[in-house]
Amino acid sequence: GESVGLHLPTLSVQEGDNSIINCAYSNSASDYFIWYKQESGKGPQFIIDIRSNMDKRQGQRVTVLLNKTVKHLSLQIAATQPGDSAVYFCAENKNDYKLSFGAGTTVTVRA
Amino acid sequence: DTAVSQTPKYLVTQMGNDKSIKCEQNLGHDTMYWYKQDSKKFLKIMFSYNNKELIINETVPNRFSPKSPDKAHLNLHINSLELGDSAVYFCASSGGSKGYTFGSGTRLTVV
Repeated sequence: GESVGLHLPTLSVQEGDNSIINCAYSNSASDYFIWYKQESGKGPQFIIDIRSNMDKRQGQRVTVLLNKTVKHLSLQIAATQPGDSAVYFCAENKNDYKLSFGAGTTVTVRA
Repeated sequence: DTAVSQTPKYLVTQMGNDKSIKCEQNLGHDTMYWYKQDSKKFLKIMFSYNNKELIINETVPNRFSPKSPDKAHLNLHINSLELGDSAVYFCASSGGSKGYTFGSGTRLTVV
């Protein structure tokens, strides 16, 4: 499943499929980007980060892609599991003690 | 051990009251924050403190007064509560390489 384009507030994905969540950031001076996962009743939890001198970074089952030309960030989740159901946020920072969050995408995993 | 802990988790109060939310972090981070999350899940920074010094105040009404007695604590006091203050308030800290660490939130309901 994929949230195509700038941003979609919801994404429904079949268990086992790959998920792609997209995010457009606003500040071309931002040099640090983070993806957070927020489960119901909890605070945002760090998933993966990337600095502006990179265009791809991989973690466990997750990959973040950064396209600075169009100010676009994406999070790919491989083999999506029920525990991946949550709200996902991208966040940007330009080293000024202020992490700015995008609108979240609610991911629902179908069994 | 909870890294960033905030109390209370739930707070229900009447309009016009004054209330406080407390936050403590045991990560040794130098910088702490308060974020407000509205009903649409949008996260917006309110305040940032670095080593007990206020460095960001994002045009928050002066009914909101943060206080940092030491770099491990950042409390939020709210005077004359209004209906529009109802939200989830998150405390966070930073100083390491993994972005910000968030607390589990305080759900404030003003009736």
